[in-house]
Amino acid sequence: GAVVSQHPSWVICKSGTSVKIECRSLDFQATTMFWYRQFPKQSLMLMATSNEGSKATYEQGVEKDKFLINHASLTLSTLTVTSAHPEDSSFYICSARDDTEAFFGQGTRLTVV
Amino acid sequence: LAKTTQPISMDSYEGQEVNITCSHNNIATNDYITWYQQFPSQGPRFIIQGYKTKVTNEVASLFIPADRKSSTLSLPRVSLSDTAVYYCLVGESLDSSYKLIFGSGTRLLVRP
Repeated sequence: GAVVSQHPSWVICKSGTSVKIECRSLDFQATTMFWYRQFPKQSLMLMATSNEGSKATYEQGVEKDKFLINHASLTLSTLTVTSAHPEDSSFYICSARDDTEAFFGQGTRLTVV
Repeated sequence: LAKTTQPISMDSYEGQEVNITCSHNNIATNDYITWYQQFPSQGPRFIIQGYKTKVTNEVASLFIPADRKSSTLSLPRVSLSDTAVYYCLVGESLDSSYKLIFGSGTRLLVRP
């Protein structure tokens, strides 16, 4: 079946630095990818929709200047957490859909110290 | 976007059948019903999808009544490894740009 891969699986960074997370669709092309954030014991919260070749669409309350999304090709979207702070520590998950169903990456655990 | 309501948690024992019901009163005509499973520190995994009546695959069954305002995920003979959070989502299955909104999910605990 189709696979979506995220990298890295986990990352620890210092407060104030930026972190980039990659999301790749391995065997299908995805014009649209989605980025979610999940805090412990909570559900997935949609952050933004990543559109290939155009600007991302952010959900209400998500700072677009803090969470930079780039979807430069049909198989790669990146999420950059800029000037990370401890409150940005979370589990970030990407998703992409083929013609029939949505596939999710394995997630990236971000810890900001 | 159709809102879903599920029980927050459920307990079961190994070998039992588990039925998790999801309410989606304002489901649209074009919406499909999809269930996902999520283990800690992993992305959600597709379990089953249906539009009406009954769907069965190798891991679960999905029962959808005629009015489609609810659905029931049935897991036969659960094992400890089925302990996870289960999410019910509704939306247009065939639209690749359709964003999936997750509800609270049901935390299933399977005891020995």
